[in-house]
Amino acid sequence: EAQVTQNPRYLITVTGKKLTVTCSQNMNHEYMSWYRQDPGLGLRQIYYSMNVEVTDKGDVPEGYKVSRKEKRNFPLILESPSPNQTSLYFCASRSMGQPQHFGDGTRLSIL
Amino acid sequence: GIQVEQSPPDLILQEGANSTLRCNFSDSVNNLQWFHQNPWGQLINLFYIPSGTKQNGRLSATTVATERYSLLYISSSQTTDSGVYFCAVERGAGNMLTFGGGTRLMVKP
Repeated sequence: EAQVTQNPRYLITVTGKKLTVTCSQNMNHEYMSWYRQDPGLGLRQIYYSMNVEVTDKGDVPEGYKVSRKEKRNFPLILESPSPNQTSLYFCASRSMGQPQHFGDGTRLSIL
Repeated sequence: GIQVEQSPPDLILQEGANSTLRCNFSDSVNNLQWFHQNPWGQLINLFYIPSGTKQNGRLSATTVATERYSLLYISSSQTTDSGVYFCAVERGAGNMLTFGGGTRLMVKP
């Protein structure tokens, strides 16, 4: 089954404790992205990648890191999480000229 | 940056009614997509539509890129259509997407 898989789905953690949200797709898509969704602010792009070792900042990259060492994986790293990064996060993937496929989301709560 | 505005922000329908959702954007775009976020939070792609009209069952979409807007039509609405509908525009040479604020739809039985 074609899918984008994010883990964990839910996480409660504390300020400053490094965390990684994993994202994996099995569709051989070149493009992958991370978004955050906040009430009243909608969906905003954090980082995106157009292929292995090619990443670029989206609209809200501050406080996040990404890497794309393999085509199927695109982890999101929060080196020193802060409460303002409490949000619902989505990973997505697609091929050029094709629609976006989203994972089911990761709800992060940073205390 | 590009502005993407959706209207109406909220919509309540009786089951069986038709509706039109609108997406306006402020600059030229490479492409436009419509998504449905269901009550469980899942985001499902409905249409990938740079221009013209597409139909999928009771849903159809039209994009007029020269006039910078897109419309999503829902006919004979069902309770399962409830949720939030987003449009997103693709700009530049890469994978940058900007989302509109969404239209929250509630279909009552």
